[in-house]
Amino acid sequence: AQRVTQPEKLLSVFKGAPVELKCNYSYSGSPELFWYVQYSRQRLQLLLRHISRESIKGFTADLNKGETSFHLKKPFAQEEDSAMYYCALSGSKAAGNKLTFGGGTRVLVKP
Amino acid sequence: DAGITQSPRHKVTETGTPVTLRCHQTENHRYMYWYRQDPGHGLRLIHYSYGVKDTDKGEVSDGYSVSRSKTEDFLLTLESATSSQTSVYFCATEDSSYNSPLHFGNGTRLTVT
Repeated sequence: AQRVTQPEKLLSVFKGAPVELKCNYSYSGSPELFWYVQYSRQRLQLLLRHISRESIKGFTADLNKGETSFHLKKPFAQEEDSAMYYCALSGSKAAGNKLTFGGGTRVLVKP
Repeated sequence: DAGITQSPRHKVTETGTPVTLRCHQTENHRYMYWYRQDPGHGLRLIHYSYGVKDTDKGEVSDGYSVSRSKTEDFLLTLESATSSQTSVYFCATEDSSYNSPLHFGNGTRLTVT
């Protein structure tokens, strides 16, 4: 069975401070990992995926297979980063492979 | 986003009544999903579809049924609503290409009193 754990329900940081959202997973195979974000009054949308190794809106995430983690980081948080963030896992790159989501972390960036 | 429309956006219903939520997409995506979002649980998969008339259960399917009679519509039915089904329901679609992301609807807030 696949499982995703986000230990922090709420992260509150000041603007300009670093922010790190933790994500740990359990999966017996080789996982595909994603971060989805939901801004206030907007749809849930993909932020980034580990396979792309890209930085989106200043966020990066590195897959650590040894620690089974996929933490999301940003060195300098902005107020517009306030949102709900979900880590998600898929067992395959192929389409139609259902995502398992973590419980979510709400980020509040204070001015 | 991928032309996904959920209806209704909000609904209040009484325990024991049937409820149907609709997801409509205009992108001809093959895969469609119904998730429920609850505090502390994140999004949990209820049912999904990998084509017309092809559906399967997710992790929290009890008390729910789905139908997909055409590509663009995916219906979620609560046969007899219970208070534990009070939640926000999200529909998502996915096309058939490699590593494609999910596209989400705006959600339906359902309250069962």
